[in-house]
Amino acid sequence: NAGVTQTPKFRILKIGQSMTLQCTQDMNHNYMYWYRQDPGMGLKLIYYSVGAGITDKGEVPNGYNVSRSTTEDFPLRLELAAPSQTSVYFCASSPSGGPNNEQFFGPGTRLTVL
Amino acid sequence: EDKVVQSPLSLVVHEGDTVTLNCSYEVTNFRSLLWYKQEKKAPTFLFMLTSSGIEKKSGRLSSILDKKELFSILNITATQTGDSAVYLCALNYGGATNKLIFGTGTLLAVQP
Repeated sequence: NAGVTQTPKFRILKIGQSMTLQCTQDMNHNYMYWYRQDPGMGLKLIYYSVGAGITDKGEVPNGYNVSRSTTEDFPLRLELAAPSQTSVYFCASSPSGGPNNEQFFGPGTRLTVL
Repeated sequence: EDKVVQSPLSLVVHEGDTVTLNCSYEVTNFRSLLWYKQEKKAPTFLFMLTSSGIEKKSGRLSSILDKKELFSILNITATQTGDSAVYLCALNYGGATNKLIFGTGTLLAVQP
């Protein structure tokens, strides 16, 4: 299993541009998450999904959108990029919502908005 | 407001030392506390604690949760340079959604 994969690894955007961060998992996990991590900080939840077709907001959803059309894929869309969105973005997945399920993380996408 | 606070923010030790990392929280109705190790990239899972007072061990690492005093500690004995990383504490607070709230992490540097 490749686990959780993310593309691209790095990206530089200009203010106002849009892009989609891709996330795919091959573990047949129902639950998927998007986090951002700013320098020297912990991870903050942007959006999450408990199954195909079901998504909900986390702590910091403003400026982002998600969709979940398949179990495997959970893309994160940035519309009108702003410098405040400069961060490292991590996607994660877990088998279900059970209390003993840890989250498995992808390698991250480092995004810079100039 | 739910909060997870880790201390110290950073720590420099020499190989062979023992370190204790702290995680205190103000979160109601959480289901488990997790520790992750983050080197250059993705966090990797270390421990999940659900019950107070029961120590979990994995090699030189161990962790325990105190639900009465609202904290957890992560101990690393006989540290090695490969232990250098950011250690993240997170609480599973979202009920069946399995959402996590993270602390800011402790940056551990182990010098030879």
